[in-house]
Amino acid sequence: NAGVTQTPKFQVLKTGQSMTLQCAQDMNHNSMYWYRQDPGMGLRLIYYSASEGTTDKGEVPNGYNVSRLNKREFSLRLESAAPSQTSVYFCASSNHYRERGNQPQHFGDGTRLSIL
Amino acid sequence: AQSVAQPEDQVNVAEGNPLTVKCTYSVSGNPYLFWYVQYPNRGLQFLLKYITGDNLVKGSYGFEAEFNKSQTSFHLKKPSALVSDSALYFCAVSLTSGTYKYIFGTGTRLKVLA
Repeated sequence: NAGVTQTPKFQVLKTGQSMTLQCAQDMNHNSMYWYRQDPGMGLRLIYYSASEGTTDKGEVPNGYNVSRLNKREFSLRLESAAPSQTSVYFCASSNHYRERGNQPQHFGDGTRLSIL
Repeated sequence: AQSVAQPEDQVNVAEGNPLTVKCTYSVSGNPYLFWYVQYPNRGLQFLLKYITGDNLVKGSYGFEAEFNKSQTSFHLKKPSALVSDSALYFCAVSLTSGTYKYIFGTGTRLKVLA
């Protein structure tokens, strides 16, 4: 049972280059999320998708775009990478129930991105 | 605005001693509260959650957390710390309705000394 799978695990880019971070989950979760983790700042939400076909901005969306390709897959794109986007990026998924509420999130192991 | 505070960047405790990692929250409605642990080069792993009911919640690896509504706190505890508990711990909150978002604290690094 893979859970949440992120690719690639590491990437080095030059300023101005573009790339797409991939995320897939096999738990049939409705909601998917992209976070960035920076020292001393915890996790900050970039974008999320509450359900297939919807996406919404989080706390720090500038410079990023997302695509919820299907229920399993949620990709994050950097159109023109900047050094300030050097970070560790985590994808997560979860379910939400009217009676049982928001369930714990399941996280991938991250993509470590350096932008020179 | 909703927020989660973890007032200690680092907590040091001797192996075998009890540990506490603090978390306070500020939300406008009823919260769901979570604790996660992160080991080096890994994603966050779920430890325990408070939804409703008993204020003392038991979770994985012998951890427990106490929900205190009047103090808006959800401190993580363990009666006897292990060296292998050394990791980064995150508290998170989500509202019971109206949102799919979770807000995370900045994390507390726990070091258990042999």
